Amino acid sequence: DTGVSQDPRHKITKRGQNVTFRCDPISEHNRLYWYRQTLGQGPEFLTYFQNEAQLEKSRLLSDRFSAERPKGSFSTLEIQRTEQGDSAMYLCASSLGTVHPYGYTFGSGTRLTVV
Amino acid sequence: GNSVTQMEGPVTLSEEAFLTINCTYTATGYPSLFWYVQYPGEGLQLLLKATKADDKGSNKGFEATYRKETTSFHLEKGSVQVSDSAVYFCALRQGGSQGNLIFGKGTKLSVKP
Repeated sequence: DTGVSQDPRHKITKRGQNVTFRCDPISEHNRLYWYRQTLGQGPEFLTYFQNEAQLEKSRLLSDRFSAERPKGSFSTLEIQRTEQGDSAMYLCASSLGTVHPYGYTFGSGTRLTVV
Repeated sequence: GNSVTQMEGPVTLSEEAFLTINCTYTATGYPSLFWYVQYPGEGLQLLLKATKADDKGSNKGFEATYRKETTSFHLEKGSVQVSDSAVYFCALRQGGSQGNLIFGKGTKLSVKP
């Protein structure tokens, strides 16, 4: 097991384009979280899944953002019609539900730059 | 709402100096508290945690004690090394099944040889 993987590591896109990020959690982890981190700030919660069900969405997750976790394995985060304010590091984390509720494992993140 | 406030950085220390990074929180009930560390170019790693009042979390020479009376969870290390240079984040997890963390803004630590 190589931990939580995120792809791509970096993405540069033009304003108005759509982008999609992928997260592969640790295989036995049933919970998957997405966070956004802007420069000089701590990560902010966006959404989380338990298996394939999206159970919570932050108010930060505007209508242009959508996340999926088909079959409860990998997850994708799509941003439509990107804006410069979307530039940030997008972090994915996974955990093993209530057995280890505190044991998040974070990926290295996808850095998005909107130009 | 729930929030975490930690001391502003950057913090620059000489090797073997004593480190304190202050963290205070606002939360209802009895949250769990965490310190995460982010080394350059890497993801966040859990450094230590405490789940109830008066618990002390410790790891790699770092310690933090959950103080409910002062709503604090200050990070300390007796003798820092150059390899400790990183950004440190204090975080809380509100009780309940959500599991999402609320982070402070982070404190950048630079240790000079």
